[in-house]
Amino acid sequence: AAGVIQSPRHLIKEKRETATLKCYPIPRHDTVYWYQQGPGQDPQFLISFYEKMQSDKGSIPDRFSAQQFSDYHSELNMSSLELGDSALYFCASSLPGQAPYEQYFGPGTRLTVT
Amino acid sequence: DAKTTQPTSMDCAEGRAANLPCNHSTISGNEYVYWYRQIHSQGPQYIIHGLKNNETNEMASLIITEDRKSSTLILPHATLRDTAVYYCIVSYGKLTFGQGTILTVHP
Repeated sequence: AAGVIQSPRHLIKEKRETATLKCYPIPRHDTVYWYQQGPGQDPQFLISFYEKMQSDKGSIPDRFSAQQFSDYHSELNMSSLELGDSALYFCASSLPGQAPYEQYFGPGTRLTVT
Repeated sequence: DAKTTQPTSMDCAEGRAANLPCNHSTISGNEYVYWYRQIHSQGPQYIIHGLKNNETNEMASLIITEDRKSSTLILPHATLRDTAVYYCIVSYGKLTFGQGTILTVHP
């Protein structure tokens, strides 16, 4: 079965640079979620989109922005990178319709800021 | 989202049932109980969810108490590959991951 695709899988950036992470949801899934998992920490919700509109927002820094496109893929843009942004970034997608919203996660993008 | 409380760690012998408890005393009427697991930095994996009734799928069973204030995830025949962090999450949308239970399955 098709799964959530994230690219790139690994990314190394320097402080103050920008990074763009991409997420391709499972076909027919119209809702995308982004999570950040720092070293030794639990995943933390950043932001979600439903039908290309932002649906919920968590502890996402102002330096980060995200959007969902007409084909439902999503991009997380990160600017002025800091050392503390080094983390695993997971994208998840879910089917449209009523709750419950079972979320299916991608393999993650490991971002290292040096 | 309601807060959940889980044991920090548990052990289980291979082939035996693993019973992972979760307390969620502040759960509200429209919130579901979800269980996910994460195997060493892989993406979290959905296991099962429930609202009021007990549920079973090919991976596990979920027992929810009548007052919905606690639940138990049951892995009927644990294998070494079930070693992971198990998260109990109460939510109606976004997932709020708490501490989770580190389950170690040993031979």
